[in-house]
This record gives sequence, structure tokens and C-alpha cells, in this order.
Amino acid sequence: GAGVSQSPRYKVAKRGQDVALRCDPISGHVSLFWYQQALGQGPEFLTYFQNEAQLDKSGLPSDRFFAERPEGSVSTLKIQRTQQEDSAVYLCASSPGPTNEKLFFGSGTQLSVL
Amino acid sequence: LAKTTQPISMDSYEGQEVNITCSHNNIATNDYITWYQQFPSQGPRFIIQGYKTKVTNEVASLFIPADRKSSTLSLPRVSLSDTAVYYCLATEGVRDDKIIFGKGTRLHILP
Repeated sequence: GAGVSQSPRYKVAKRGQDVALRCDPISGHVSLFWYQQALGQGPEFLTYFQNEAQLDKSGLPSDRFFAERPEGSVSTLKIQRTQQEDSAVYLCASSPGPTNEKLFFGSGTQLSVL
Repeated sequence: LAKTTQPISMDSYEGQEVNITCSHNNIATNDYITWYQQFPSQGPRFIIQGYKTKVTNEVASLFIPADRKSSTLSLPRVSLSDTAVYYCLATEGVRDDKIIFGKGTRLHILP
């Protein structure tokens, strides 16, 4: 595809449910980032991959959050036992190489936990 | 990672030139200044990047003085569609595992 694709666009979950958010980066892009954006705030870093290697996961809020990119392309962000405070937009971004000077973002997945 | 400080919000009028200033007092030698634009319900979009002096593209200009402790994003002749949040970032030019966004500047263009 022409850009970063995220699915689903919207997700409503009951508290305690597990959710999986998908990111399809631009083909061939080496780096992949996940961000969490609360309403009215800037994107908060969650985790970063270079190919299939997760190089930084320091931004993941708790051990309920897990991300993977097993083949160095598509990535999945999984949230277990969702809580209301997990409600946010989850953004995925990719960049062509290890020098991350220009990120290409998807439109995000808006997660609402009821 | 250099911390950046920018105004929370700004208003301007259609047709005006808008300048958004960003402070980054502890910028490192390897850091570049990068600006992103974000519209509602969309992810941020790269606008421009520079290291020093002036950079211009079809969207904006970026001015960085010699001491590099601040930078100014200049949007010429804004229109209503330029209403968005603008983020200033300091990112290491060689490699950066963690690209940090602040709260950005909410720019509101009035008719």
C-alpha cells in the first residue's frame, strides 16, 4: 500500500477483554514505532522495532501491553485485560531505515474501553 | 534527548505568515530539529527538518540560529486548512531509538 495502514480503525472493548491492534508499515521500512495518544495530548512513545528486533519497549505502561513484529513487517500491539485508562488512540509509524529522521504515521486505532 | 518547549496555542488569520518558535536549550551536537503536523483523527505528518541556518520546502521554512538553542517554523500565507497541532522535536541524526513528542502547538486559523 501507499502508506501505513492500521486496523481496526475503531475498537470498543469491555473492561477485562484482550485486544489486538494491527499495523502494516510501508513496504520495506526497517523501523516501526508504536505510540499512544490521549485526547489533547501529544503521542507518547510505547515501543520500537528495527526489523523483527524490539530494541526499546521502555514506554509500555505495564506488562499487559505486548508488541511483536515476527517477520520484520506487520506488527501487532496486544493489550491484555483492558482497563478504562487504556482508552486512547494507538498510532503506528514506520521509517525507511535505522536513521529515524522521518516517520510515516498511520491514522491510528481509537480504542475505547467501557 | 533534548527537551523542546513551544507555545501551547496560537491564533492567526488567513493569508498571514505564522511563525512558531521552539526552544531547545540543551540540544546535542548530533540532534536535528524536526517538525510534524497533526490534523484531527490523523497521525502526525512530517513537515520539515533542519540542522542549522535555513531550510525551505513547498510547505514551510525552518530557521535555526547559529547557537541552535531555538528554531522557528514559518508557514507562509496560511489558510483555514493549516489549523492543526504542530510538534517540534529534537532527534539524533544518526540514529534514534526513541522519538519523543511533546504536547505541540495548537494553531487555529481564523477567517
